[in-house]
Amino acid sequence: GENVEQHPSTLSVQEGDSAVIKCTYSDSASNYFPWYKQELGKRPQLIIDIRSNVGEKKDQRIAVTLNKTAKHFSLHITETQPEDSAVYFCAANSGGSNYKLTFGKGTLLTVNP
Amino acid sequence: ETGVTQSPTHLIKTRGQQVTLRCSSQSGHNTVSWYQQALGQGPQFIFQYYREEENGRGNFPPRFSGLQFPNYSSELNVNALELDDSALYLCASGPRLAGTDTQYFGPGTRLTVL
Repeated sequence: GENVEQHPSTLSVQEGDSAVIKCTYSDSASNYFPWYKQELGKRPQLIIDIRSNVGEKKDQRIAVTLNKTAKHFSLHITETQPEDSAVYFCAANSGGSNYKLTFGKGTLLTVNP
Repeated sequence: ETGVTQSPTHLIKTRGQQVTLRCSSQSGHNTVSWYQQALGQGPQFIFQYYREEENGRGNFPPRFSGLQFPNYSSELNVNALELDDSALYLCASGPRLAGTDTQYFGPGTRLTVL
């Protein structure tokens, strides 16, 4: 089955700096890669996603890149703000899109004012 | 915030009991997936329902079962509760459209098994 590895497990940055979180996946048939942000005690919130037919996607301060050959994808947050502090999860679907998402173990991002 | 709702918010049960958790999907969504999130971990896929049938299952024993109703709402049932079943249970709904896998999570039900 699919295996998703996520690094780092914790990340601390100064406000205004950039943050990068990296994930690798094992199933070459995976074609959908969402990122979720989860604040303490709240639901995972979809912040951006990418499909395998594109290599990069941006939404304001957030961008995701995908390297299908290397089977890795990354989340980039620029100009970080204290409200970006949360746990971020990457995920990959099982090949064939049966709605099964396999998640990484999460990255705790702390943005220091 | 998504339109996915779950009930109850919190639940305390004892080992061996049975529990039913409920989920109402967002309007326009016809699939519901259930996930278990242990403390400090990412969500783990339990199963997905589409057109009232189970459509994919993760590595969970048969004592985890579910239903989807004609209005696309769903239930998760867990029998013979074990201490390790203590977790946040999340449901996620999405539209079953070609090329669309997007799933939106509900707020979760925190289950504690004593």
